[in-house]
Amino acid sequence: DAKTTQPPSMDCAEGRAANLPCNHSTISGNEYVYWYRQIHSQGPQYIIHGLKNNETNEMASLIITEDRKSSTLILPHATLRDTAVYYCIVRVDSSASKIIFGSGTRLSIRP
Amino acid sequence: NAGVMQNPRHLVRRRGQEARLRCSPMKGHSHVYWYRQLPEEGLKFMVYLQKENIIDESGMPKERFSAEFPKEGPSILRIQQVVRGDSAAYFCASSPPQYNEKLFFGSGTQLSVL
Repeated sequence: DAKTTQPPSMDCAEGRAANLPCNHSTISGNEYVYWYRQIHSQGPQYIIHGLKNNETNEMASLIITEDRKSSTLILPHATLRDTAVYYCIVRVDSSASKIIFGSGTRLSIRP
Repeated sequence: NAGVMQNPRHLVRRRGQEARLRCSPMKGHSHVYWYRQLPEEGLKFMVYLQKENIIDESGMPKERFSAEFPKEGPSILRIQQVVRGDSAAYFCASSPPQYNEKLFFGSGTQLSVL
């Protein structure tokens, strides 16, 4: 079972920052926070991941609270192509570790 | 470096036939994962394989479904005696052998059972 809680849907105006929250209050010390997204009917796409420090890459930023019980994915300048279902996942640091997807957040970007 | 390749992209089968879905991982990737997505539902983990070994098959239905990842060649997800409820998108992902590497997903195979 997924160990994260996300709002089922959100919307954001094009050009604005999209902030997607995720609760993972039972996260363990050896579990990473991963974000993936699935654009309609396509295979999921990796976005970013982190353990306890904030992370940034060309797609997004990941802010993890100090107690690691929640995180926020930030898309700095949302475009229509960012419309997708966004999944927040916790994953054990192990070579035999699968990814379990929850229900995710359906993000709609409005023009 | 080509991405994860899945074929066929679309597969139509009649009830009772067999379906074989193929997945070629990215170069250098020795871990393969299969997921199923029913219409309007989320992604469900099925099986995780490394070369010649099944590591975790906790999401595989007990009957009619099998998976393999031979030493040479693609990973195969095999569904025997398909039923209408098997109609879904099947996604394959691969990753390198290091810890906590991200998964790269293919475009999926859409299986339709008539």
